[in-house]
Amino acid sequence: DAGVIQSPRHEVTEMGQEVTLRCKPISGHNSLFWYRQTMMRGLELLIYFNNNVPIDDSGMPEDRFSAKMPNASFSTLKIQPSEPRDSAVYFCASSFRSNQPQHFGDGTRLSIL
Amino acid sequence: KQEVTQIPAALSVPEGENLVLNCSFTDSAIYNLQWFRQDPGKGLTSLLLIQSSQREQTSGRLNASLDKSSGRSTLYIAASQPGDSATYLCAVEGLTGGGNKLTFGTGTQLKVEL
Repeated sequence: DAGVIQSPRHEVTEMGQEVTLRCKPISGHNSLFWYRQTMMRGLELLIYFNNNVPIDDSGMPEDRFSAKMPNASFSTLKIQPSEPRDSAVYFCASSFRSNQPQHFGDGTRLSIL
Repeated sequence: KQEVTQIPAALSVPEGENLVLNCSFTDSAIYNLQWFRQDPGKGLTSLLLIQSSQREQTSGRLNASLDKSSGRSTLYIAASQPGDSATYLCAVEGLTGGGNKLTFGTGTQLKVEL
């Protein structure tokens, strides 16, 4: 059974460029989460969706960040324009519903030069 | 605002030793507490989920306890092995907004030596 699939695994780009991270959740899971992990701040929830609808985006750091979930099998996290302080590992996770374990992808390691 | 703390930040033990990792949280209004494992360069793997009404959960050599009233959880690893080396994170799922929102601790980095 395929887990949560994220792409790309690594992204290196220059400051000011647009960055798009992609996620395919586990089939049948109704909740999808985007997290950011840094040494300084640990693991932080950016936004989550239930049934493709954004529920809580209070963790999105700035208007430069946006997330979409056009259907149950695909989500994107976009940063435009990117800045060096956006460098981090970004994880996508999914779960069947609340009060159930979340399953994580292997993450996208993003470096903004 | 929920805050989750893990002690110790790092731990090194010889193979075969039993060990305990600690997690504390400030707001007891939770659906559950979850323990995860993270290997270098990988995502998180769910180990155990304890519902707020439960006291403990067991999976193989792992046992997690929950004392909601005092805001504490422990993860007990029996007969540790080098393959247990990883970072262990605890997270609580809050009741606000219908659940789903996990607040993570900063993790305990475990090294089990031969």
